Amino acid sequence: QQPVQSPQAVILREGEDAVINCSSSKALYSVHWYRQKHGEAPIFLMILLKGGEQKGHDKISASFNEKKQQSSLYLTASQLSYSGTYFCGTRGGADGLTFGKGTHLIIQP
Amino acid sequence: SAVISQKPSRDICQRGTSLTIQCQVDSQVTMMFWYRQQPGQSLTLIATANQGSEATYESGFVIDKFPISRPNLTFSTLTVSNMSPEDSSIYLCSVEELYGYTFGSGTRLTVV
Repeated sequence: QQPVQSPQAVILREGEDAVINCSSSKALYSVHWYRQKHGEAPIFLMILLKGGEQKGHDKISASFNEKKQQSSLYLTASQLSYSGTYFCGTRGGADGLTFGKGTHLIIQP
Repeated sequence: SAVISQKPSRDICQRGTSLTIQCQVDSQVTMMFWYRQQPGQSLTLIATANQGSEATYESGFVIDKFPISRPNLTFSTLTVSNMSPEDSSIYLCSVEELYGYTFGSGTRLTVV
């Protein structure tokens, strides 16, 4: 099942914070976060593994509640370069990712 | 991280024809993945390709329509067969790294 992302879109001023949420109806092995700019490939941001391990970029943080099958991505002190569409991807086993519908983030100067 | 070369980057094709998309990785990988992304939409997994075995297709995708080859650990092809305008989309290959997945730059396909 496709994970559910919220909100669908966010408009921020540079320097403001944002939280993007991702929830799944099935048990998860891992949650991934990607950012995609228009016309480009998705770029890996963060992976959160069952058991608490996290790997990703230094300036981005995320949480993973295994019991609730939910994850949140925290963007602090946003920069213009943070603009794009953010996707969470979930993985239930040894297969590819199932992506949410995405959250469009617009950062204004 | 792995570097993926995907060809062609875009193509305009006549309905009823087939297009083969190539994906070359600069390192050996066990699994390669093919995704479809319709304009402004999310990514949908088409299939998983392991070297030396048949590809595994997701619900809604069949081998006759999207045959996949995986001749070695660095290369894969996806063919979109008997195309219709509904196949117009971006097709991306992807590989799993130690942490996260890396994507090719995609093939933008328009069927007319």
